[in-house]
Amino acid sequence: AQSVAQPEDQVNVAEGNPLTVKCTYSVSGNPYLFWYVQYPNRGLQFLLKYITGDNLVKGSYGFEAEFNKSQTSFHLKKPSALVSDSALYFCAVRDDTGGFKTIFGAGTRLFVKA
Amino acid sequence: SQTIHQWPATLVQPVGSPLSLECTVEGTSNPNLYWYRQAAGRGLQLLFYSVGIGQISSEVPQNLSASRPQDRQFILSSKKLLLSDSGFYLCAWSSLAGGQETQYFGPGTRLLVL
Repeated sequence: AQSVAQPEDQVNVAEGNPLTVKCTYSVSGNPYLFWYVQYPNRGLQFLLKYITGDNLVKGSYGFEAEFNKSQTSFHLKKPSALVSDSALYFCAVRDDTGGFKTIFGAGTRLFVKA
Repeated sequence: SQTIHQWPATLVQPVGSPLSLECTVEGTSNPNLYWYRQAAGRGLQLLFYSVGIGQISSEVPQNLSASRPQDRQFILSSKKLLLSDSGFYLCAWSSLAGGQETQYFGPGTRLLVL
């Protein structure tokens, strides 16, 4: 069965410092991995995805994520955090067995302090 | 470009009343459509998905139902609301691409059942 874990409910970082939001997954087949961001009272916005190829994926707003097959992880990173990055971040996974269901993690709230 | 609309944005309903939430997508044909519920600003629960007109799959048995009367219209309904139906309801669409596709979310409807 598919599953996604975001081990941190909240991540606090100072503006200008690097940030990491962690995600680990479990799927039957090959994974398709996604990161979404949600601002208060809004829908989710797509940040980036890993399908195949280069393990380092670059996305919107300067975010990137690294796919690590041996550790079954897909951590979200940004070299220099902005206060405007403060939001709720979701990791999600599907596999390549043809199903339509995307499994979302519980979310990690990122606070960037000025 | 594609856009997704949801209405109403906010809804306050008494227990036992009916519900109808509407979602429409513009700028694409034959999308996959999804209804999610997000409780307490955290994880997403997939309620229904549809791969075509009249084709609805339910993920969680409950007092909600979904219909897809037109290609780009997805409706979430209930005959009698429960207190536990309160939450933030998100509609999403994706194109048919075998699991690699990104889901794009609407702005959401916040439902409060009193």
